[in-house]
Amino acid sequence: DVVMTQTPVSLSLAIGQPASISCKSSQSLLGTSGKTFLNWILQRPGQSPKRLIYQVSKLYSEVPDRFSGSGSETEFTLKISRVEAEDLGVYYCWQGTHFPFTFGSGTKLEIK
Amino acid sequence: EIQLQESGPGLVKPSQSLSLTCSVTGYTITSGYDWSWIRKFPGNKMEWMGYISYSGSTNYNPSLKSRISITRDTSKNQFFLQLNSVTTEDTATYYCARYLRIRGVMDAWGQGASVTVSS
Repeated sequence: DVVMTQTPVSLSLAIGQPASISCKSSQSLLGTSGKTFLNWILQRPGQSPKRLIYQVSKLYSEVPDRFSGSGSETEFTLKISRVEAEDLGVYYCWQGTHFPFTFGSGTKLEIK
Repeated sequence: EIQLQESGPGLVKPSQSLSLTCSVTGYTITSGYDWSWIRKFPGNKMEWMGYISYSGSTNYNPSLKSRISITRDTSKNQFFLQLNSVTTEDTATYYCARYLRIRGVMDAWGQGASVTVSS
């Protein structure tokens, strides 16, 4: 199975500060289709996971543009340019290139 | 707007079977997406369990292959999870989600069903 290593485990940031979360995969996520199926989701407290980013850097329409994703092959990053209160929760990367799909261990974002 | 809703017993005894239903509204499950089950263990670890395709074929996580079955009832627009021979390690919140293969995304999730395995 592809191992997804996510760091840091937690972040405590004030509103307006930038955030950065790293996700590394144990093998390349570039698929035979030429696409890289690396996703980011957010689970707010008491809620179900919500989609944020797909194929490394593509934001869903409802996601604010303070979020961005980058990376390739085995190293990926989620950035928030300026953290807002609604951004608290646990962020997960997950890969859909190789079966079985696998998730990172999560990064908990707390607001100071 | 698509909505998914999990339902089923919240408590299952060890060695018994866990059965959950995912009811889908706002989209027909035979229309082109695949339909997944994912679980989140206490402590945040998440595991993809498997999916049933729009055509009815299945794909399971090999770690569960001998215990898992995903089926569907197209007349009710529902799909189901059965996990056999459960242990306390199967205690988790179980989510159903819509999966789009060509994008490699699970873009809509249910609210989750908490299941505890305990005698």
